[in-house]
Amino acid sequence: GAGVSQSPSNKVTEKGKDVELRCDPISGHTALYWYRQRLGQGLEFLIYFQGNSAPDKSGLPSDRFSAERTGESVSTLTIQRTQQEDSAVYLCASRRPGLAGGAGSYNEQFFGPGTRLTVL
Amino acid sequence: DQQVKQNSPSLSVQEGRISILNCDYTNSMFDYFLWYKKYPAEGPTFLISISSIKDKNEDGRFTVFLNKSAKHLSLHIVPSQPGDSAVYFCAASKTTAGNKLTFGGGTRVLVKP
Repeated sequence: GAGVSQSPSNKVTEKGKDVELRCDPISGHTALYWYRQRLGQGLEFLIYFQGNSAPDKSGLPSDRFSAERTGESVSTLTIQRTQQEDSAVYLCASRRPGLAGGAGSYNEQFFGPGTRLTVL
Repeated sequence: DQQVKQNSPSLSVQEGRISILNCDYTNSMFDYFLWYKKYPAEGPTFLISISSIKDKNEDGRFTVFLNKSAKHLSLHIVPSQPGDSAVYFCAASKTTAGNKLTFGGGTRVLVKP
């Protein structure tokens, strides 16, 4: 398909284990974002990749969270030593290149279906 | 500190009537606003957006209004259809800061046949 894909769709893990979540963005989309949605809440920004620029990690809640992106393709979000409060749906989004800044340059983000993480 | 708020967690409306969803924000640096629709077990789907240089944007049954002085935006759906039943999220971004989205908590809309 042509959309953003994420794997696994569901992940159940034990507290203290590490988990790795994968995102395949839409081909040609240079920007990639990770968000999480806790039960009953809105989406929270985690991290943003744009081309070869240094990622914006300002939303990562702790140093247990990290993410990598291979060029302009696949990204993995890693959570080390998982805690119960990490339980959430983790969503990836990608966006095609826009113009160089300004309100007219915006292109909407396309989201994947998410990975539901449950930490027991 | 919630920068984007949707104060109504739910809304119930009769099919054919208008649905009005509201969203307030606090950060005056936001210059682009979006509405996303989300069905259970799916990712959010982009619905409509508006730049801060405009006060209205219309796309079919969906219209978004922006009142910058009040830091308020609203989404109007008319006429509402049963397939519109979903959770709607308001989101805001700064286009000069990577366009990362700040989301509201969502409003669950139920359209009754």
